[in-house]
Amino acid sequence: RKEVEQDPGPFNVPEGATVAFNCTYSNSASQSFFWYRQDCRKEPKLLMSVYSSGNEDGRFTAQLNRASQYISLLIRDSKLSDSATYLCVVKRGPEGSYIPTFGRGTSLIVHP
Amino acid sequence: DGGITQSPKYLFRKEGQNVTLSCEQNLNHDAMYWYRQDPGQGLRLIYYSQIVNDFQKGDIAEGYSVSREKKESFPLTVTSAQKNPTAFYLCASSHGTLAFFGQGTRLTVV
Repeated sequence: RKEVEQDPGPFNVPEGATVAFNCTYSNSASQSFFWYRQDCRKEPKLLMSVYSSGNEDGRFTAQLNRASQYISLLIRDSKLSDSATYLCVVKRGPEGSYIPTFGRGTSLIVHP
Repeated sequence: DGGITQSPKYLFRKEGQNVTLSCEQNLNHDAMYWYRQDPGQGLRLIYYSQIVNDFQKGDIAEGYSVSREKKESFPLTVTSAQKNPTAFYLCASSHGTLAFFGQGTRLTVV
C-alpha cells in the first residue's frame, strides 16, 4: 500500500460546482498534512495546511480525519482557474524531521 | 527576493553522460529535498538533507548522487547508472513543516 493515495481523476465539473477530493495515508504517526496545487509543467505551490479542527480559506475547505486516516479538500463555486492537479502531502519521519511525502495528485478540470 | 532557484530550466543529455542539476536557496532553510516527477505521476523522493554536510537516500536514490557542502546549495548529479533519467526534477526546501519548491528542471536524454 502506498503511503499517500489519491484518486487521480480527472474530475470534470462545470463552473460553479462543488467538488471534493479525498486522500488517504497509511502511517498513523503522520503529523502534518497539506494540499498543494500544481499547474501543468509547473512546480507545486502550497494551497493550504490541514488542521484537525478543519480550516477554510475562501472557497476552499480542508478536513482531517485521523481515525480513518484521510484528509479532504472541498472546493465551492468552482472557477475555470481552479483547473489544476491537487497534491496531498503528508509529513513523515521521526520527530524533528519533516519529509514531505506526496500523493500522485488529483486532476481537476473546470469547464464553462 | 527570497526563494529557491533551479537551473537550468531545460537540460538535454546524451546517454552515458553524467549531468548536474543546480538548486540554490536564500531562505536560510536547513532542510532540502530532491524529487522526480514522471508524467501523470506524483513526486518521488530521491535524496534529502536535513543539515549541512549530511544527506540521506530517499525512495529512488539509485543512479543519483548529491552533496550539501553549503546550506544554500544542494546539487543533484544524475549519473549514467540511472536507467531512465528523462523526467521533471524538483528541488524543495523547508523550515519547520512547510516546503517550498523551485521551478524545476526538465531533463531529457537524447
